[in-house]
Amino acid sequence: QKEVEQDPGPLSVPEGAIVSLNCTYSNSAFQYFMWYRQYSRKGPELLMYTYSSGNKEDGRFTAQVDKSSKYISLFIRDSQPSDSATYLCAMPPSGGSYIPTFGRGTSLIVHP
Amino acid sequence: EPEVTQTPSHQVTQMGQEVILRCVPISNHLYFYWYRQILGQKVEFLVSFYNNEISEKSEIFDDQFSVERPDGSNFTLKIRSTKLEDSAMYFCASSEAGQNYGYTFGSGTRLTVV
Repeated sequence: QKEVEQDPGPLSVPEGAIVSLNCTYSNSAFQYFMWYRQYSRKGPELLMYTYSSGNKEDGRFTAQVDKSSKYISLFIRDSQPSDSATYLCAMPPSGGSYIPTFGRGTSLIVHP
Repeated sequence: EPEVTQTPSHQVTQMGQEVILRCVPISNHLYFYWYRQILGQKVEFLVSFYNNEISEKSEIFDDQFSVERPDGSNFTLKIRSTKLEDSAMYFCASSEAGQNYGYTFGSGTRLTVV
């Protein structure tokens, strides 16, 4: 079983929709979770960082962690065409390393 | 806003040649990283660097790779004898505090080995 799994999409939504992006993970020891956004041919950009279960909100973005289900989500409210990008979840792997492992990313397309 | 700068943005090299990819991390950051992303695949960790030495490296980072911080601002990745499969985007990143904080990535160098 892969440590971090993410549906590659693409996920296509109309402008203004609420978007839900998800990752599952296998290691119950994971303590912190990150979401990155990556535009085409650019480096990943940190969006959200959470260290515990529950919700964290930043503007139109909400990160949710459910440790009991080993499931994390990123919600985008009032989605805009400029949100079209690949969204990567990241968390440290097992074995004592603190270096985040990235999911393969979900491609999001928000059409006007 | 401070940013991580990578040069060149695109490099084409012949198989077997040495390449050096350059990065200028954010000035007050202490931790530096190289990642790569083969086209259509996920971002993969190569190496982390702290206090002038490698702190962690992945299985990808074999003897063909080396990193260096030659002065107070630059951080370089050298590939000694490039192979076709080294073709990828190479991202440099840096972080201010510990490795379990978010990183700031550069825009990447696209390496094409022919």
